[in-house]
Amino acid sequence: DTGVSQNPRHKITKRGQNVTFRCDPISEHNRLYWYRQTLGQGPEFLTYFQNEAQLEKSRLLSDRFSAERPKGSFSTLEIQRTEQGDSAMYLCASSLVGISGANVLTFGAGSRLTVL
Amino acid sequence: AQTVTQSQPEMSVQEAETVTLSCTYDTSESNYYLFWYKQPPSRQMILVIRQEAYKQQNATENRFSVNFQKAAKSFSLKISDSQLGDTAMYFCASPFGNEKLTFGTGTRLTIIP
Repeated sequence: DTGVSQNPRHKITKRGQNVTFRCDPISEHNRLYWYRQTLGQGPEFLTYFQNEAQLEKSRLLSDRFSAERPKGSFSTLEIQRTEQGDSAMYLCASSLVGISGANVLTFGAGSRLTVL
Repeated sequence: AQTVTQSQPEMSVQEAETVTLSCTYDTSESNYYLFWYKQPPSRQMILVIRQEAYKQQNATENRFSVNFQKAAKSFSLKISDSQLGDTAMYFCASPFGNEKLTFGTGTRLTIIP
């Protein structure tokens, strides 16, 4: 098991361009989360999936953001018409949620977005 | 609103010493988990320790232990015999009965050789 994998690790783009990030979770995990982290802050929740169903979206996730998890495996996070304020680290995490017990998230290394 | 507050933006300690990182939170939930995560420079976030709120016994993982005061809504992390590899950002977090973690703003810990 290689853990949670995120690609690309770093993306530099010009304002107005579209970008897409990919997350490959731990294979047996049924939950997948996206968080955004800006410099000096803790991660902020964006959205999460249970298998292929997107169950919750944060108000931070504007109409320019879309996330998918086809077939309940990998996930993509697309940002359209990027703005400089979108510059951040985008973290993906996965977990295996059962009947009881702690929902422990395993994080990927993140995808850093720089919008010029 | 459910919040997590870490009031120490930065801390530093000499190698081999003990350091305590503070975390307070606010929730109306009666049972929940609390976590400390560690984020080393340019590396992924990893779980350090967890505590279930209904358990009175404080959690311990090797050199890491917590002081959980439920009534005071306090959840501090103690690192004993600190090592250079402990240098990282430390985040306190909880889902508070929801499905998503709420994080504090973090404490940057530097271990001085």
